[in-house]
Amino acid sequence: EVQLVESGGGLVQPGGSLRLSCAASGFTFSSYWMSWVRQAPGKGLEWVANIKQDGSEKYYVDSVKGRFTISRDNAKNSLYLQMNSLRAEDTAVYYCARGGIAAAGSNWFDPWGQGTLVTVSS
Amino acid sequence: DIQMTQSPSSLSASVGDRVTITCRASQSISSYLNWYQQKPGKAPKLLIYAASSLQSGVPSRFSGSGSGTDFTLTISSLQPEDFATYYCQQSYSTFITFGQGTRLEIK
Repeated sequence: EVQLVESGGGLVQPGGSLRLSCAASGFTFSSYWMSWVRQAPGKGLEWVANIKQDGSEKYYVDSVKGRFTISRDNAKNSLYLQMNSLRAEDTAVYYCARGGIAAAGSNWFDPWGQGTLVTVSS
Repeated sequence: DIQMTQSPSSLSASVGDRVTITCRASQSISSYLNWYQQKPGKAPKLLIYAASSLQSGVPSRFSGSGSGTDFTLTISSLQPEDFATYYCQQSYSTFITFGQGTRLEIK
């Protein structure tokens, strides 16, 4: 069964840091682009970042550039999101999602993990 | 960035109705348009990819069409389990964007 399981969410103070992890199983992790997508409480979906199969290309939404870093470890079938300088507006459920094989075009998301909640508050 | 605009933002319908949701891109995205369904407290689920391809396991009452800038998701005969929020997403660019969502409610 293809599965993604996120972990690492929690309560953090403004300006703090958090590292999210996503464990993949049931497919050849190293063959796919991977992404993080977030959803603030009561709001819509927002793509956060994606990373190429070998980690050589990374892209971010403008609101997190310079603060968040996406990475992956293909030997461990794992995806990460290092979040620094966190703000209240980063409060959201963070999902990891499997993308496609190509950089663009085939980057639809399936499957998604169950999500992990990040709350930024003092 | 490519902006995605869905309409309507919310919709009330009855079981058995035919429903259409529209998604418009701010520039041509060819057929690189995907649709998701999300139920409260759950992760989104892929319904349609590449504008009109039905994801495996998704009921055939769901269909997608369009190319360029204008796309539609149609549910041919609403079932009780279809009441949810629907999102479009463009995968033309590596900078991915979603529509704001359409909430489908029971009339």
